[in-house]
Amino acid sequence: EVQLLESGGGLEQPGGSLRLSCAASGFTFSGYAMTWVRQAPGKGLEWVSGISSGGDYTYYADSVKGRCTISRDNSRNTLYLQMNSLRAEDTAIYYCAKDVTTLGYYYMDVWGKGTTVTVSS
Amino acid sequence: EIVLTQSPATLSLSPGERATLSCRASQSVSSYLAWYLQKPGQAPRLLIYDTSNRATGIPARFSGSGSATDFTLTISSLEPEDFAVYYCQQRSNWPLTFGGGTKVEIK
Repeated sequence: EVQLLESGGGLEQPGGSLRLSCAASGFTFSGYAMTWVRQAPGKGLEWVSGISSGGDYTYYADSVKGRCTISRDNSRNTLYLQMNSLRAEDTAIYYCAKDVTTLGYYYMDVWGKGTTVTVSS
Repeated sequence: EIVLTQSPATLSLSPGERATLSCRASQSVSSYLAWYLQKPGQAPRLLIYDTSNRATGIPARFSGSGSATDFTLTISSLEPEDFAVYYCQQRSNWPLTFGGGTKVEIK
């Protein structure tokens, strides 16, 4: 079964850092681009960041550019999101998601259950 | 960035009725548009990608159409499990963007 399991969320103060992880199983992780999407409480979906299958190409939303770094370890089947200089507006559920094809379409067909990040003093 | 505007914000329909959801892009996204469904407390689920391709396991009552800046998701006959929030997403330009969502509620 294809599965994604996020971890690393929690309560952090403004200005702090968190590292989110997403453990993948049930598919050839190294063959697929991966994406982080977040959802603030009661709000819609916001695309955060994407990374190509080999990790060579990374992409960011303007709202996190310069503060977040996406990376992956294909030997560990794990995706990461390093979040620095956290702000209250980063408070959200963070989902990791798998590309629908091996061609780098950046449409997401498998999603994790999400990990909650709360930024508050 | 490309802004996706979904309408209506809320659609009130009965089971068995036809639902038509709209997604308009601020500039052409060619055919690079997807639709997702999200139920409360759950992760989104991919329905349609590249305008009209159904994702694996998605029933035929879901169909997508459109091009450039105007796109439509049609649900031919609403089932009880279809009442949810629907989002469109473009992959034509970075950054990727989602629309604000359309809630399909039971009338």
